[in-house]
Amino acid sequence: GAVVSQHPSRVICKSGTSVKIECRSLDFQATTMFWYRQFPKQSLMLMATSNEGSKATYEQGVEKDKFLINHASLTLSTLTVTSAHPEDSSFYICSARAPGWGSYEQYFGPGTRLTVT
Amino acid sequence: QKEVEQDPGPLSVPEGAIVSLNCTYSNSAFQYFMWYRQYSRKGPELLMYTYSSGNKEDGRFTAQVDKSSKYISLFIRDSQPSDSATYLCAMSVVTGGTSYGKLTFGQGTILTVHP
Repeated sequence: GAVVSQHPSRVICKSGTSVKIECRSLDFQATTMFWYRQFPKQSLMLMATSNEGSKATYEQGVEKDKFLINHASLTLSTLTVTSAHPEDSSFYICSARAPGWGSYEQYFGPGTRLTVT
Repeated sequence: QKEVEQDPGPLSVPEGAIVSLNCTYSNSAFQYFMWYRQYSRKGPELLMYTYSSGNKEDGRFTAQVDKSSKYISLFIRDSQPSDSATYLCAMSVVTGGTSYGKLTFGQGTILTVHP
């Protein structure tokens, strides 16, 4: 099956610093990747859609300058949380859309738990 | 009203029971339907996906879609303690452009299967 990895799995950073999270599709090329945020006991909240070679499309209410997304290759997308604050602490999950036209299912990474102190 | 409604549970059943998980939706444009399983502190795992109405079976899992009622179900037969997780339904419209592949999720149902 399609495998998506994320790195790091857990990160603790100080308030005001920036953190980069990597998302990789290991055995397929992903033209589209998605970034989600999940709070405890809640469903997934889509933050942005990332298409290879173009700018990300952010959901309403998500700050583009705070959550920088780069999809530089068909297997790698990165999310950088800039000037992190404690309220940015959350579980961040990426996913990659299955390859091929007409594919809508997404394969998810294991998630990254970010704690900002 | 949310586009996708899912009973958050929690749902507790004995081992071996048949589990029924359900979602209703309001957007008649949804045509692609998925079920994910998420263990605590892990990313969601794709269990089943179906296109339009009908049934699909995979081992102990059966997914049903009734577009006329805007209702989807996931049945788990012979449930096991290892099935204890949160189950999320997700759906998508068939479209291109920047919304291509975007999923709308239910709130998730917490399932516990006790020995």
